[in-house]
Order: sequence, then C-alpha cells, then structure tokens
Amino acid sequence: AQSVAQPEDQVNVAEGNPLTVKCTYSVSGNPYLFWYVQYPNRGLQFLLKYITGDNLVKGSYGFEAEFNKSQTSFHLKKPSALVSDSALYFCAVRDDSGYSTLTFGKGTMLLVSP
Amino acid sequence: NAGVMQNPRHLVRRRGQEARLRCSPMKGHSHVYWYRQLPEEGLKFMVYLQKENIIDESGMPKERFSAEFPKEGPSILRIQQVVRGDSAAYFCASSPKPESSYNEQFFGPGTRLTVL
Repeated sequence: AQSVAQPEDQVNVAEGNPLTVKCTYSVSGNPYLFWYVQYPNRGLQFLLKYITGDNLVKGSYGFEAEFNKSQTSFHLKKPSALVSDSALYFCAVRDDSGYSTLTFGKGTMLLVSP
Repeated sequence: NAGVMQNPRHLVRRRGQEARLRCSPMKGHSHVYWYRQLPEEGLKFMVYLQKENIIDESGMPKERFSAEFPKEGPSILRIQQVVRGDSAAYFCASSPKPESSYNEQFFGPGTRLTVL
C-alpha cells in the first residue's frame, strides 16, 4: 500500500521569506510524486511532478520540489513567499506499476503574512 | 479547451433523498476519478472509471454509492438515501489515456454536498 505524510497541518511564513512544505511518502515501486494547490472553494490545481531525472523539479508560480530517495521525501519549496501563495497544499504519490490511482496527504495549510 | 466541469457546484439534500453529481472530463480524456474531501481531511479516492467500465472502486462505500461513465455523456456519482455524514466536497478528476501512470490528473471545481 502507498501512503503520504504531510507532518504539518499549517505552515506560517512572512512574505518575502523562503517557505518549505514537507512531504514524505511510502510506495512499493518507484514513486511518481505530485504537488497540488487548493484555493478556498476551488478544485485542485497541479503545481509540479517528479517522474524521473533531476531531483529538483520546477513548477508553476515559482515553486520547486526536491526529491530525496534516501529520505523518501518530496518537500515543496519557494525562495520568496507571496501573500497570494496562502492556500492548502497537497502532496500525492502513485507507483510506477501503470495503475493510476493517486494517494493524497491530508494537506498543509500555508499562511503567508504581509 | 475547457477544463473538467462538475455540476452542480452546490447541492443540498435532505436525509433519505438521492444525490446525483455530474462530471464532464477534459476533451480528449477518457479516464475519470472521483474523490471525496471531508472537513479536516485530505482527498480520499473513491472510484476510477473509463468509458463504460469501472476500473477500481475500492474506495467506494459498499452501500448507497454508485458511479458510472457511459459511452455518451458525463460521469455520474450517485448517492442514494443520503445521510448527514455524506456532507462533503466531491471532486472529479480526469486524465488522458494513462499509457504510463505519470500523467497528472486535472481536477474539476468540485460539488459541495450538504445533507440537512
């Protein structure tokens, strides 16, 4: 069985500071990892994914994520946070077996203060 | 290219009534997934469908819930005899034919079901 852990329910950061939203995963095969963002009363928007290749993945809105196989982590990062980044962030994983069911973490609320 | 469409956006039902949630996938996408988001919880997978086929329904409650994706028309998630615990946001996602499983899923705006 595959699983995702997002250990922080909420992350608070001041505008302009770097942010990190943590994610660790467990999967039997090779992982395919995803980050999504959800704004209030909206659906999920895709931010970025790791499939293979470079461990540092760049995505939308200046976000990036670093895949660390030894630590089974895929933390989301941004060098300089914006107030508009405040939202709910979900990490998700599936394995490389060809079966497409995603397993999501519980989500981390990011609050960026002015 | 329109995104994933869901309707209604908000649905209010009384206990014991039926709820029907509709999802039209993105153009060219033949795979549909339904998820449920409960307050203070993440998204929970419910069912994965292709046209006229249920591929995986391991996340569906055994009773009262059903889903279909007919040859023509939208995918339907049907909840019979709703109870208050069914109140949640229901999201549909679609993806192109997953020749490999690295295709991201594209999500609709969700249907927020409230059971009175």
